[in-house]
Amino acid sequence: ILNVEQSPQSLHVQEGDSTNFTCSFPSSNFYALHWYRWETAKSPEALFVMTLNGDEKKKGRISATLNTKEGYSYLYIKGSQPEDSATYLCAFPRYNNAGNMLTFGGGTRLMVKP
Amino acid sequence: SAVISQKPSRDICQRGTSLTIQCQVDSQVTMMFWYRQQPGQSLTLIATANQGSEATYESGFVIDKFPISRPNLTFSTLTVSNMSPEDSSIYLCSVAWWGRRETQYFGPGTRLLVL
Repeated sequence: ILNVEQSPQSLHVQEGDSTNFTCSFPSSNFYALHWYRWETAKSPEALFVMTLNGDEKKKGRISATLNTKEGYSYLYIKGSQPEDSATYLCAFPRYNNAGNMLTFGGGTRLMVKP
Repeated sequence: SAVISQKPSRDICQRGTSLTIQCQVDSQVTMMFWYRQQPGQSLTLIATANQGSEATYESGFVIDKFPISRPNLTFSTLTVSNMSPEDSSIYLCSVAWWGRRETQYFGPGTRLLVL
């Protein structure tokens, strides 16, 4: 059973604050780590697929880093806005003949107050 | 990428009944997956549905409870059978193409409440 953990479970910040949260995952047999953003009543939206140790990816005000040796990834949001309010999920893939299945962490629920 | 729709978007059902959820994709995909999120829990994989083969179920999920069909490369159904209140969840389908680092694309989910 893969253990993918996220912290914190929830986070309340003021508009304009920068914030970050953590995803920890097994450091052995690493292939990739996925980040998703999930707003209520919408589809989870793919943010990043991280593959290389030391990777840093950026999409607007959101960026992510990856440390495969110690098994963690950070997601950063610079200057949070109310529209950033969502649940942020990380997922660790595993592979067999059926396909690439994702094991998700519990998510970090971010609420940004105007 | 892919555009995925699910029907119904939400439903309220009585215990003991069954509900079939449909997942439609706007392009042909090799892999389709069904996940659920129970209240306060992580998104959990139920099964992988690849066309031309029987669905592969994760530990804790069985075909009698969650029968799946995958008649072609753009469509799949998940049935939640003999429902109980514990089946109240968000059910999502997702799609992917072969490739270890490919992202998965998700539908908007079906919100199910079982009374």
